[in-house]
Amino acid sequence: AQTVTQSQPEMSVQEAETVTLSCTYDTSESDYYLFWYKQPPSRQMILVIRQEAYKQQNATENRFSVNFQKAAKSFSLKISDSQLGDAAMYFCAYRSAWGTQGGSEKLVFGKGTKLTVNP
Amino acid sequence: SQTIHQWPATLVQPVGSPLSLECTVEGTSNPNLYWYRQAAGRGLQLLFYSVGIGQISSEVPQNLSASRPQDRQFILSSKKLLLSDSGFYLCAWSVYGSGNQPQHFGDGTRLSIL
Repeated sequence: AQTVTQSQPEMSVQEAETVTLSCTYDTSESDYYLFWYKQPPSRQMILVIRQEAYKQQNATENRFSVNFQKAAKSFSLKISDSQLGDAAMYFCAYRSAWGTQGGSEKLVFGKGTKLTVNP
Repeated sequence: SQTIHQWPATLVQPVGSPLSLECTVEGTSNPNLYWYRQAAGRGLQLLFYSVGIGQISSEVPQNLSASRPQDRQFILSSKKLLLSDSGFYLCAWSVYGSGNQPQHFGDGTRLSIL
């Protein structure tokens, strides 16, 4: 079974600075998808960024980018120019590209990293 | 556009009482539907998923059950709640055969068992 590990329970960053959140995963599959979700204090889960394993190019979404290292099974999230509104729990998630429909689309989540942004 | 509604937002129930949480999706057909639980300070644990009406798969043995009486309705139930059922419950949907499409989450229900 696949597992996702986020080794940093908490991180902090100064406003306008850059922070990188770590995520590693374990899988024997070659085709899969990776996601970063953000959960602010309101508790709503919001998609931040996604990456297809078959793509070598790292995904970017405005101030958010990933460093996807397939061989190392690493999927870190970089937040540039951090803003107060970025403070949240960040979850890394894995989804297989194969398997039974619905079942293959299950997300496996890490335990999350709590990001604090200091003014 | 698609929306997902989940209610109630908060619920306080005594031990041994029944539970019914409801989730509905609008703006799409035949979605995959999911129930997750998030314990305090923990990640999300998948409880149930459904690929169609009446089709429910359980991920974790427990005293909870799920049902999908209509295409875009997903219900989480219990006949007798336990203290350990406290937590934050999230419903999510994804496009059937979604490829790289993400799951979209509702706003969640905070369940406290007394």
